[in-house]
Amino acid sequence: GQNIDQPTEMTATEGAIVQINCTYQTSGFNGLFWYQQHAGEAPTFLSYNVLDGLEEKGRFSSFLSRSKGYSYLLLKELQMKDSASYLCVVNTNAGKSTFGDGTTLTVKP
Amino acid sequence: GAVVSQHPSRVICKSGTSVKIECRSLDFQATTMFWYRQFPKQSLMLMATSNEGSKATYEQGVEKDKFLINHASLTLSTLTVTSAHPEDSSFYICSASQRGETYEQYFGPGTRLTVT
Repeated sequence: GQNIDQPTEMTATEGAIVQINCTYQTSGFNGLFWYQQHAGEAPTFLSYNVLDGLEEKGRFSSFLSRSKGYSYLLLKELQMKDSASYLCVVNTNAGKSTFGDGTTLTVKP
Repeated sequence: GAVVSQHPSRVICKSGTSVKIECRSLDFQATTMFWYRQFPKQSLMLMATSNEGSKATYEQGVEKDKFLINHASLTLSTLTVTSAHPEDSSFYICSASQRGETYEQYFGPGTRLTVT
């Protein structure tokens, strides 16, 4: 089976930096995705990591360590619109995706 | 980027009736489509995976006779909720994937189903 753990809730201040961690246990690992989901809307793609290291895309960065089963999503220069749920999703070689329960981020002024 | 549409966006139906939800990939061919259900404040739960031209693969606990999935073409998959009951009220989301290196999924906007 696959287990994905991420914090349930986080709060941060506008303009600050926040790091959302995700740990996973899986067999046949084939990539990790981060998605953003606003309430009542479908998820949107943020980042993809399949090799160890940091992927940077604007204000968002994602890091992966396969040996540790660990990833984080880093959000810089937080804006109010970043308040959303952030989903850590692990793919396997079988093409199956498993979603974490999501981290609800609240950005305060 | 790749666009996936869903129709309808919202539907209200009476208990015992059937509802069909369409999922279309608008600018790419989707080898695989996924159907998810999401209850309030919970994560997405995969219901089934469908590949074009073959029968859908259902997750454990999902009744295939109640949730009928048809993936007739590389751009269209449909989910029919048969004999709907109030407990079927949920947010249904489809996603489509081009089978490639990343298996990235492109999500539709979702369908809010309310069964009265």
